[in-house]
Order: sequence, then C-alpha cells, then structure tokens
Amino acid sequence: AQKVTQAQTEISVVEKEDVTLDCVYETRDTTYYLFWYKQPPSGELVFLIRRNSFDEQNEISGRYSWNFQKSTSSFNFTITASQVVDSAVYFCALNKGGTGGFKTIFGAGTRLFVKA
Amino acid sequence: NAGVTQTPKFRVLKTGQSMTLLCAQDMNHEYMYWYRQDPGMGLRLIHYSVGEGTTAKGEVPDGYNVSRLKKQNFLLGLESAAPSQTSVYFCASSYRRSRGDNEQFFGPGTRLTVL
Repeated sequence: AQKVTQAQTEISVVEKEDVTLDCVYETRDTTYYLFWYKQPPSGELVFLIRRNSFDEQNEISGRYSWNFQKSTSSFNFTITASQVVDSAVYFCALNKGGTGGFKTIFGAGTRLFVKA
Repeated sequence: NAGVTQTPKFRVLKTGQSMTLLCAQDMNHEYMYWYRQDPGMGLRLIHYSVGEGTTAKGEVPDGYNVSRLKKQNFLLGLESAAPSQTSVYFCASSYRRSRGDNEQFFGPGTRLTVL
C-alpha cells in the first residue's frame, strides 16, 4: 500500500528564516512520482513540483528547493529566507507509475505560518 | 481560461437534505476527481472519472454519487446529507498520461456544513 506521511502538523517561523517541510513516503512500486502542492489561504491547491523515482537530483527554484532521497524514502521541501506570502498548507503527494498512476495519495499537510 | 470552477462556494444543509456540487473545467482534461478535505486528514478521494460517461469509487465513496455526462463537467451528489459530510470539497482535473506523472489542477473548493 502507498502512504505519505507529513509528521509536522504546523510550523511557525519568523520572516527570513529557512524552513524545511518533511515528507516520508511508502510504496512498493519501482516507478512512482512525488509532488508538492501549496494551498494558500484562498483555498485552491497549486502544483509546485514533480519528481520521478529515477531522478534523485535535488531541484532549486528561486527560494524553493527539494531534496529527494530514495534511501530514506523522503522528499523534503526547503524554503529559504521565508516570506509572509509563503504562509500556506503544503501537501506532499505520491502517484504510482503507469496508466494507473492518476490516483494521487496525499499526505495530511503541513501548515506553515510565517510571521513578519 | 477559467481553469477549474466549482459551484457553489458555500452551502449549509440540514440533515437529510440533498444537493449537487458542480465542477467544470475548460482545459479538455480527461481525468476529473472529487476530494474532501478534513482537518488533519489531507485530501481523500471520493470518486473519480477517467473520461466522459465513466466514473469510479475512490477511498471514501459512501453517501456520494457522481456523474460525468459531459467531458468538461463532473457532478457530485449527496442524496441524504449527514453531519459527517461537513467538509471542504475540492474538484480537480488532469491530463491523461500513461506514465502517471500527471499533476492535478484544483478548483477553489466548496465549504459544506450539514446541521
């Protein structure tokens, strides 16, 4: 069975601090895809990044970076120099590979508060 | 493009009442989904559709029905609402990709309260 665990329920930081959101997944598939989505206070989830199981390269996009480690089944998300606009709920998610992979398993989410 | 839209945005029902939530997407996506979001539980899949005229059960389908008569629309029905169905409901859609790497596009959500 597939599972995504986000152990941090809520995190509170002060603006300009760095913060890492943890994500641990479970799957027996060799091909799978990992995602991060952001849910701002407006409510609509927005796709941030996708990673496939064969690509363990870290990725950086501006202040955002993602660290994928198959050895620990983790796909962690770091925000550098956090800003108030980063306040949101962040979801880590998992798709199995192949034509049956359209059903996404979501973690419970981590609520990030960034205080000015 | 409007993306994924949902109506209504808010609704209050009494126990036993029925209602239909409407989801529409203008991206020509094959796949559509209905989720419910409850505190501490992330998003749970209620029903999904892989194409017009086809629907299937997700993780928590009991008490809900769906229909996909047109490719762009996906309706979620509650026949007899119960307080346990108080939640925020999200519709999403995605392209069909054989690799399984399809990200989902979400609507703004419907906040439903059942008294």
